[in-house]
Amino acid sequence: KQEVTQIPAALSVPEGENLVLNCSFTDSAIYNLQWFRQDPGKGLTSLLLIQSSQREQTSGRLNASLDKSSGRSTLYIAASQPGDSATYLCAVAFGNEKLTFGTGTRLTIIP
Amino acid sequence: NAGVTQTPKFQVLKTGQSMTLQCAQDMNHEYMSWYRQDPGMGLRLIHYSVGAGITDQGEVPNGYNVSRSTTEDFPLRLLSAAPSQTSVYFCASSYRQGRGNTEAFFGQGTRLTVV
Repeated sequence: KQEVTQIPAALSVPEGENLVLNCSFTDSAIYNLQWFRQDPGKGLTSLLLIQSSQREQTSGRLNASLDKSSGRSTLYIAASQPGDSATYLCAVAFGNEKLTFGTGTRLTIIP
Repeated sequence: NAGVTQTPKFQVLKTGQSMTLQCAQDMNHEYMSWYRQDPGMGLRLIHYSVGAGITDQGEVPNGYNVSRSTTEDFPLRLLSAAPSQTSVYFCASSYRQGRGNTEAFFGQGTRLTVV
């Protein structure tokens, strides 16, 4: 079964620190991988999309990497801010258009 | 830009009632999908559509129906609500690209409680 795992489920970090969120997946034959942010009671906001042919994507303080051979992606957040507090979700398209989601990492940035 | 619009935002149903969750997008996306989000289980795909007139089942389709008569709209119908359908429902859309899709855009969700 194709699965996506995000560990840890929750993470607290002091403001200003750099941090890494992890996403692992069971099948290397992916089409693309997408990172989302979800604020409490809200919908999902797309942060970065990495195609299977890419190794990384950057947007502002965010950098996402993809290593298909090891089945891993990381989301790097530089110089964290309290406004970065949210749940971060990883979703993988395993060879087609359907997305399989991880259960997310709830990030708290401590002022 | 409106993006993906879901209505209603909140709904309480009695067991056995039926209702339709509405989803509309104004980006001319071919691909639309419905997910439910439950604590500890992540988002699970209910139904999806790759274009007008074409729908298919996802991971958890039982108890739900969909149709896609236009590119813009993709309503989700609960036939006979059950407490197990208490959840937050999200609609999403994206362009099709090759065998997969481009970036997915999500609506704000519908929080449904079945009593």
